[in-house]
Amino acid sequence: GQNIDQPTEMTATEGAIVQINCTYQTSGFNGLFWYQQHAGEAPTFLSYNVLDGLEEKGRFSSFLSRSKGYSYLLLKELQMKDSASYLCAVTTGSGNTGKLIFGQGTTLQVKP
Amino acid sequence: GEEVAQTPKHLVRGEGQKAKLYCAPIKGHSYVFWYQQVLKNEFKFLISFQNENVFDETGMPKERFSAKCLPNSPCSLEIQATKLEDSAVYFCASSPRDSGGYTFGSGTRLTV
Repeated sequence: GQNIDQPTEMTATEGAIVQINCTYQTSGFNGLFWYQQHAGEAPTFLSYNVLDGLEEKGRFSSFLSRSKGYSYLLLKELQMKDSASYLCAVTTGSGNTGKLIFGQGTTLQVKP
Repeated sequence: GEEVAQTPKHLVRGEGQKAKLYCAPIKGHSYVFWYQQVLKNEFKFLISFQNENVFDETGMPKERFSAKCLPNSPCSLEIQATKLEDSAVYFCASSPRDSGGYTFGSGTRLTV
């Protein structure tokens, strides 16, 4: 079967660092995506990992360990606008042809 | 354009009525995906297209749901005889074949 787990809710303070974990068990793997979704809006792309290691992009970093079926999204210097849902998704298809299998999303609330 | 355009933004239907949703993918993207998001729960994959051909329909309900992507027209998702449980936000995403990731539209909120 296909299973992707991430915490349902997290709370953090403005200016702090937060790490959102995602574990997955899928039949096949061809990459892991992180998306940000503000209420009532489209998910927007944050990161893509297909090889083990850390990918850094500004305040956002994403890590992947394929042997452990584990990823995390790290958000630094949190801002109020970072309050959103963060979606972990795995694709098993080649290139961008395969469907995305989503976790239930993590709702992050940033407090002053 | 560089965005996935979904219409309408909101759609209200009485039980048993037909609903039709539209999606114009980004020009040059050959893959189109439909997802259903009920309340704030995870995205459920419905169907994908490679140009006008069905690529993966493993998530499509056997009854009442149909979809098309015809040349020179927006893609469409049609629900015959809507039920209360069809109330959800329906997202469309498109992708190029090899790189660049998946881009999501803003969704159509269907209320039955």
